[in-house]
Formats: sequence, structure tokens, C-alpha cells
Amino acid sequence: AIQLTQSPSSLSASVGDRVTISCRASQGISRALAWYQQSPGKPPKLLILDASTLESGVPSRFSGSGSGTDFTLTISSLQPEDFATYYCQQFNSFPRTFGQGTKLDIK
Amino acid sequence: QVQLVESGGGLVKPGGSLRLSCAASGFTFSDYYMNWLRQAPGKGLEWVSYINPRGSTIYYADSVKGRFTISRDNAKNSLYLQMNSLRVEDTAVYYCVRGDWVFQRWGQGTLVTVSS
Repeated sequence: AIQLTQSPSSLSASVGDRVTISCRASQGISRALAWYQQSPGKPPKLLILDASTLESGVPSRFSGSGSGTDFTLTISSLQPEDFATYYCQQFNSFPRTFGQGTKLDIK
Repeated sequence: QVQLVESGGGLVKPGGSLRLSCAASGFTFSDYYMNWLRQAPGKGLEWVSYINPRGSTIYYADSVKGRFTISRDNAKNSLYLQMNSLRVEDTAVYYCVRGDWVFQRWGQGTLVTVSS
């Protein structure tokens, strides 16, 4: 199975900050990567697919980049509703796998 | 609008069985790939199983292979997960999720607790 390693595991930031979360795959997955946001008590929400394609309705302050084994999620200017946990997920092969998550909280 | 509503969760003893259901509405269920995913309390996300629109292609995570069975009834717009030989480590919120490569629509989840 392809392993995904996210860094950092947790991150403290302020409203208006620019933040970056990394996701590294144990083998090349081309651009078969998605990012999700999960707020407490809610199911995850798809943000980005194909490494950099914004899902419909997702604010443009979210962006994704990367290919192969190294990927990045960037939030350009944090808003209060962005404090949540973020997961990357690969869909290059089965089993589908997720990173361990990055918890973003308010500094 | 798209709705996925899970049911069937609850408390079960180790070694027991449970059947989860997911009622889909707001879209043509028979056109879509479906999945079950789970999240243990305070933990990350784990993909459990996948089924194609016709039910002819199915995949499982190694952690549940041989114990869980995914199925669907397109006439009833429903997805199922039969869970046998349950273990303490199967305790989690189980989500019914629409999507092939990525997980685009999620239900609210149903909690399964395996404990003696």
C-alpha cells in the first residue's frame, strides 16, 4: 500500500496567515492526490483533486501543487472557518490511503 | 440535493455482526461508485471498501477483507456493509461516501462500537 506522510502533524496560526501543509507519498503517484478539510463532528469535505484542481465551491484561497511524491496544500490567508484538520489522499491505486492528518488551530 | 444517510450502527460484542445501510437520494444512485470509510475516535480516516455502479467490481482494505461485505441495491438506492467477526479495533464512525477516485459526497456517519 502507498503510504502518505503529512507534515507538520499540527500547526498554530493566526487569521490572515499563509500556511502550507506537505504530503509525501512512499512512491510516485503522478497527480493522483486529493485534499480534504474536516471540522470537529463533521464529515470531511473535498477541497482539491488531481493535486491542484479546486473542487466546485471551494474558496480560491486554497491551492494545491505537486506531482510524483511531493505535494503541498496552501491556504493564502487564513479565515476563522479554516481552523480544522486537513488530510491528503491518494487515488493512484487500491487500497486508497490517507495521510495521518494536520490539525490547524488558532495561535 | 445529494443526501447519504447511514443507519445500523450501535454497540456489539467482539465476534458479533452488524449490517450498515446507506440510503441515497438526490442523484441517480445507479450511476455512481460508492465506498465505505471509517474513522476511529480521535483518529484519522481509513478507506474500507469500494463498489462500482453495477456491483461487479469490489475492493476491500486488508484490515477487513474476509470479514466485511459491501453490496448495493440500485432499485432501492441503497448501499450496505455487512460486518462479521467484529473486533474492538473496528470501533469507528462509518461513512457512506460517493466517489470513484476521490470522495466527493459524504454522509454524516454512523457509530459502531465493539466492546464487551
